[in-house]
Amino acid sequence: DSGVTQTPKHLITATGQRVTLRCSPRSGDLSVYWYQQSLDQGLQFLIQYYNGEERAKGNILERFSAQQFPDLHSELNLSSLELGDSALYFCASSVSGTSGNTRYFGEGSWLTVV
Amino acid sequence: AQTVTQSQPEMSVQEAETVTLSCTYDTSESDYYLFWYKQPPSRQMILVIRQEAYKQQNATENRFSVNFQKAAKSFSLKISDSQLGDAAMYFCAYSPMEYGNKLVFGAGTILRVKS
Repeated sequence: DSGVTQTPKHLITATGQRVTLRCSPRSGDLSVYWYQQSLDQGLQFLIQYYNGEERAKGNILERFSAQQFPDLHSELNLSSLELGDSALYFCASSVSGTSGNTRYFGEGSWLTVV
Repeated sequence: AQTVTQSQPEMSVQEAETVTLSCTYDTSESDYYLFWYKQPPSRQMILVIRQEAYKQQNATENRFSVNFQKAAKSFSLKISDSQLGDAAMYFCAYSPMEYGNKLVFGAGTILRVKS
């Protein structure tokens, strides 16, 4: 158990809909990262937050947004969903935002868009 | 842009034997971090080993060790005394030193362990 909690574990939704994925980091970790794992794109970094502020952006679509709340949990919002958004979405956390910190991953949220 | 290449889509090893997974990366930076992550069928990403580029000594964690060749930009993972529980997808990953960094993953290598 990494200590990172993600909900929901599985989600099926229709095209055009909007969903929110939730992540609670490990106790004491200030940085949260979101990754997308799909068959065709592999593992891709989406976005990072550190202590409530956006710190780095990767290949995140404009239809997607995220935020980190004062209690340090984070939410990834996916809107106007397309079939190609079907993927496993991982949240990871680390103590700080520095590159050498080990990122601890949650179990992921499986999103299926039909 | 930094890239990570894992040239072996799939590898097999006999239980108790040793296997080496290859990884090369491309970067113009001199300081960075490298990682190997394991993803078993449960899909959870588990850190296997971590290497700082400024350290010449190869990292070791129990049965797992790396061969880090900085000049060649190579970072292979050796698994000794392979066990059935080692069967998983293994990802090599690169992390630049910049603050607010992005962890760049390779495409992964599926490791099968035969009993």
